[in-house]
Formats: sequence, C-alpha cells, structure tokens
Amino acid sequence: DIVMTQSPDSLAVSLGERATINCKSSQSVLYSSNNKNFLAWYQQKPGQPPKLLIYWASTRESGVPDRFSGSGSGTDFTLTISSLQVEDVAVYYCQQYYSTPPYTFGQGTKLEIK
Amino acid sequence: QVQLQESGPGLVKPSETLSLTCTVSGGSISSYYWSWIRQPPGKGLEWIGYIYYSGSTNYNPSLKSRVTISVDTSKNQFSLKLSSVTAADTAVYYCASNTRGPEYSSPQGGDAFDIWGQGTMVTVSS
Repeated sequence: DIVMTQSPDSLAVSLGERATINCKSSQSVLYSSNNKNFLAWYQQKPGQPPKLLIYWASTRESGVPDRFSGSGSGTDFTLTISSLQVEDVAVYYCQQYYSTPPYTFGQGTKLEIK
Repeated sequence: QVQLQESGPGLVKPSETLSLTCTVSGGSISSYYWSWIRQPPGKGLEWIGYIYYSGSTNYNPSLKSRVTISVDTSKNQFSLKLSSVTAADTAVYYCASNTRGPEYSSPQGGDAFDIWGQGTMVTVSS
C-alpha cells in the first residue's frame, strides 16, 4: 500500500496570508505515459463530508476558487492557499489514487486562523 | 447531479454486524464504482471498499475478512456489512463515488471521489 504523510499536522495562518500544506507518498504516483500524478486534495469542514478541491495534483475541480493551487510530482506535493479566507478553516487531506486498491489518504492537516 | 444518502442504525453492539445502505439519487447506479469510507471521531479517512454495479468488489485488505459490499440495482442502492464489530469500528461512515469518467482514471482505474454522502455516525457500544 502507498502511505501518504502530510505535514504539518496543524497550521495557523493570518487572514490574507499564504498557507502551505505538504504531502509525501511512499511511492511515486506519477504515470509516466501521460505525465499525470494521481493525487487529490480534499477540504473537510466540521460536520461535513470531504470536498474534492484538486485532482491530478494540480487541476482545480470546477467551482474551486483560484486561491487554491496544487503542485508537485512523483512523491512530493503541496497545496497552497494564496490568501487565507475565513471560510478556508478546515482539515485538508491528500489522497493517492495511482495504486488502488486500496485508496489511501494522508492523516490530515488542520488549518486555523492565527 | 448524483446525490448519495446513507442510512442505518446509529448504535451497534460489540461482536454484532454493522449494516448500512447508501441510496443513489439523480442518476443510475448502473455506472461508476461505489465506495464506503469511514472516519473515526477526530481522526482521518479510511477507504473500506467498493462495488461496481455488476457486483464486482474490492476491499481494503485491513478489513477484508469482515466486510461485504453488495448492490441492489432495482432500488438504486448499495450496502455495507461489517461483521464482528468492536469499539474501534465507531466512526462516521460515508458512501462516495467517482463519477467523472474513465478519462480521469489512473492506469488501475482509480479516481478521486467527487461525490460524497453526508455521512452517518455509527457507535459500537453495549
């Protein structure tokens, strides 16, 4: 199984500032034939299910604000929120879907306002 | 727009079988893969398994000996059974799916979960 490890476990950022969350996979999730990384990011607010934000490591799902961006390739990935808004307070998860089953998720990063 | 809704008992006794159903609305279950994912209180997400409408299944090896997922296409529903439960199985259980199409899938057919139910809390306690 591919193990996903996120850092940090929690993060406090001031409103309007940049937030950066990292995700590392134990094996590459890059498919060289099409140069796609099969890595997704989700946002989960209290009492709600996760919401898909980004797939293919860097492609925003429809309707996701452009302050959210994903980057990275192979085994190292980053989710960046360029200017933190109040509504971005949530727990963020990365997930690999390159080698399935099983699908595996990171442990989550809790993002709060400083 | 496909929507999912979980249903089932919120309390299960230790050693008994947890049973949940997910109802698919706004679309046909006769497409896509349909998954169960759980989240213990204050913890992260664990994929339990999936079923295709044809009935083919795949389970997380960590739970495989206790899990059965089935589908009822006539009711547009799929179900989860988890046997011999303990307190460690206490969690919010979500049904979820990947509905975006094969062009988004990995070489092994995996895809991100774009549709989720609201989740149902199941507590294992006597």
